[in-house]
Amino acid sequence: DSGVTQTPKHLITATGQRVTLRCSPRSGDLSVYWYQQSLDQGLQFLIQYYNGEERAKGNILERFSAQQFPDLHSELNLSSLELGDSALYFCASSVGHGLAGGETQYFGPGTRLLVL
Amino acid sequence: QKEVEQDPGPLSVPEGAIVSLNCTYSNSAFQYFMWYRQYSRKGPELLMYTYSSGNKEDGRFTAQVDKSSKYISLFIRDSQPSDSATYLCAMSASFQGAQKLVFGQGTRLTINP
Repeated sequence: DSGVTQTPKHLITATGQRVTLRCSPRSGDLSVYWYQQSLDQGLQFLIQYYNGEERAKGNILERFSAQQFPDLHSELNLSSLELGDSALYFCASSVGHGLAGGETQYFGPGTRLLVL
Repeated sequence: QKEVEQDPGPLSVPEGAIVSLNCTYSNSAFQYFMWYRQYSRKGPELLMYTYSSGNKEDGRFTAQVDKSSKYISLFIRDSQPSDSATYLCAMSASFQGAQKLVFGQGTRLTINP
């Protein structure tokens, strides 16, 4: 168990809908990262938050947004969902902001999203 | 061309065999190199972590980094059925004030009893 929790575990929704995925980082970790994992694209970095502020952006679509709250939990909002958004969404956390590079990230169990 | 290339396999070997998993990369800025193991329906877990070129050993696992060739490897000795999983290489560097982490596609490994 990595100490990172994600809810829900599974989510089934329809195209055009909006969903919110939730992540609680390990105790003491200030950074939260969001990833998307699909069969054809592999694991793709979406966005990082550090202590409530956006730190880095990867391949995140404009339909997607995230935030980190004062208690450090984070939410990933996916809107106007398309069939191609079906994937595993992982949250990871780390202690610092990653400026030194190579900081270990601990992954949660993921949320499996199916868009019908 | 992807920044990190990894043969997706699948790779199937008998129990006790030595397994070699590899990744190549194109961005010379990468300094930190990791291997993650991901069991089916689970999140990735950090297996090995190395900085710059060289070898690192941890039990039955050895990670090698050759920055001159932009090539990293993970060796598993005396492989066990419990090693059956997808192995993802990952590499990172500081980029625009933050950590940039890029994963390989993952290699699905099966160890047959």
